[in-house]
Amino acid sequence: DGGITQSPKYLFRKEGQNVTLSCEQNLNHDAMYWYRQDPGQGLRLIYYSQIVNDFQKGDIAEGYSVSREKKESFPLTVTSAQKNPTAFYLCASSGGQVGREQYFGPGTRLTVT
Amino acid sequence: AQKVTQAQTEISVVEKEDVTLDCVYETRDTTYYLFWYKQPPSGELVFLIRRNSFDEQNEISGRYSWNFQKSTSSFNFTITASQVVDSAVYFCALSDRDSGGGADGLTFGKGTHLIIQP
Repeated sequence: DGGITQSPKYLFRKEGQNVTLSCEQNLNHDAMYWYRQDPGQGLRLIYYSQIVNDFQKGDIAEGYSVSREKKESFPLTVTSAQKNPTAFYLCASSGGQVGREQYFGPGTRLTVT
Repeated sequence: AQKVTQAQTEISVVEKEDVTLDCVYETRDTTYYLFWYKQPPSGELVFLIRRNSFDEQNEISGRYSWNFQKSTSSFNFTITASQVVDSAVYFCALSDRDSGGGADGLTFGKGTHLIIQP
């Protein structure tokens, strides 16, 4: 079945450590996205990529980094510079044109203590 | 800048009641797209509908219906004869070319937590 996978579902880290969240899609979508969701809040865009080897900052990119070396993969690194990293992280993909719906993965819940 | 407002933080109704979730948006663009997503307790967002700014026709899909009114910048979502399985957080979202064109991210509202009591 086509879809988006994120791993792991739950992740625990100590403060000061970098951590990388995985996102893979087999939908042959050009565009991929990372969002952050905090309790009682909507989703906020961290980074997005419209094609391989290119990506753009979203609204809250500080403290995060990404890469897009393959069409299927868009990993997100939460660095130690991110002041409040504990959150639910959702990856999405879409066909790439403006206005196309995005399809989401199951999410990774990151807890940093 | 674009903005999406979902003023209802939480709604609780008894099963079989009809319920409407409100969504008000702001954009300077004349071409834009509106979406509704459902987030069940598992956390994954499920796509429900997309609407473009040139199509104001209301849409019905089973027990779900959507009312798009450009005059009031609203895109409301109604569930008829609600069921316990409808319990979830529902998000309204907006995409427009003000973001710089291309496949940019969505702007989400804060969501409405819908509780359907048996």
